[in-house]
Amino acid sequence: DTGVSQDPRHKITKRGQNVTFRCDPISEHNRLYWYRQTLGQGPEFLTYFQNEAQLEKSRLLSDRFSAERPKGSFSTLEIQRTEQGDSAMYLCASSSWGTSGGTYNEQFFGPGTRLTVL
Amino acid sequence: DAKTTQPPSMDCAEGRAANLPCNHSTISGNEYVYWYRQIHSQGPQYIIHGLKNNETNEMASLIITEDRKSSTLILPHATLRDTAVYYCIVGALWGSSNTGKLIFGQGTTLQVKP
Repeated sequence: DTGVSQDPRHKITKRGQNVTFRCDPISEHNRLYWYRQTLGQGPEFLTYFQNEAQLEKSRLLSDRFSAERPKGSFSTLEIQRTEQGDSAMYLCASSSWGTSGGTYNEQFFGPGTRLTVL
Repeated sequence: DAKTTQPPSMDCAEGRAANLPCNHSTISGNEYVYWYRQIHSQGPQYIIHGLKNNETNEMASLIITEDRKSSTLILPHATLRDTAVYYCIVGALWGSSNTGKLIFGQGTTLQVKP
């Protein structure tokens, strides 16, 4: 299967600890997105990369959050000093932006990483 | 904030057509209507999109009103596996200067019953 993968699928941590999530996009996709989803709500945009460049960050992404995409391949999302309010599903998506003659490039989502902060 | 309004939940009998409405009265001329769905414990999945003409693919049909202020997603023969949260999204999600980010609302939870 060559879809988007995320690791780990579940993470339980204590408040104040640091956590890091990994996303492996579809290999030829140049754009990578991170979203956060809390219970009963739709996903909320956090940030995105085009190749290795991080081009936009949501105001939801506090200073405790950092994301990287070295070499334009996989991406990591780190949360420092976790808080109980960080408990959520973290979703990654990728797309092949600009490679289809200007038509819409659908986003392919991974299964998500569910974070529980105790 | 999401620019769409959807009913929070709907039921449909297995084998019947499921018609999911969406209101987007503030849609701009260059904005498309997109539909994604999210099956429990999975990431969202693209279904279909359209500008002003009706669209059909192997998954669903999209009917957009002439004034473009509302649309309906139709699953012609719903199965139990179509039970999911369906999100209607509007946006101009293309162009080199566009982020392409998706702005989700709360969606409609469709329950397909045997």
